[in-house]
Amino acid sequence: DTGVSQDPRHKITKRGQNVTFRCDPISEHNRLYWYRQTLGQGPEFLTYFQNEAQLEKSRLLSDRFSAERPKGSFSTLEIQRTEQGDSAMYLCASSLFQGGSNEKLFFGSGTQLSVL
Amino acid sequence: RKEVEQDPGPFNVPEGATVAFNCTYSNSASQSFFWYRQDCRKEPKLLMSVYSSGNEDGRFTAQLNRASQYISLLIRDSKLSDSATYLCVVTTGFQKLVFGTGTRLLVSP
Repeated sequence: DTGVSQDPRHKITKRGQNVTFRCDPISEHNRLYWYRQTLGQGPEFLTYFQNEAQLEKSRLLSDRFSAERPKGSFSTLEIQRTEQGDSAMYLCASSLFQGGSNEKLFFGSGTQLSVL
Repeated sequence: RKEVEQDPGPFNVPEGATVAFNCTYSNSASQSFFWYRQDCRKEPKLLMSVYSSGNEDGRFTAQLNRASQYISLLIRDSKLSDSATYLCVVTTGFQKLVFGTGTRLLVSP
């Protein structure tokens, strides 16, 4: 399978615990995005990388959230001291950005986080 | 005001009907526009890009009105398999993609 893969598919944790998600993008893609989606809402932008550089982080994202893409390939998203409000689907997407205005995102299946 | 706004629906239509979705965006500097489709409990998938001149892909037609900051998607001859949520997507800022909340379509026999 050469698509975007995310691990784990599901994560149940207790409030206050730390969790880490992993995303492996399509191999030749230089951009990697993290989004969060709750029921009935569209994906909400969290952060994105071009190669290993983190270009933007949502102002809505608290300091408990951190993301890395150390070698410009896979990425991790860590949530520290989880809260019930963090429960959501965390989606990763990648794209091959070559300038211009036709960037197309390919999404992984997401990690469903439930904070009890 | 949200960056991208859509009517959440749901739109309930019979098979064979024509249905149109609208989307407005707030950033006049936005450069790229897309429609994505999301099935229940699945990830979003690109349906089509939206070009200034308008574009068509089979039963789907997308239009862009930059002056009104308005995007539309028209689906002709609706099929049961078209039932999904349709997400309007706009690039903004450093070209990150911003999603609307989505419009839910239900096509019934």
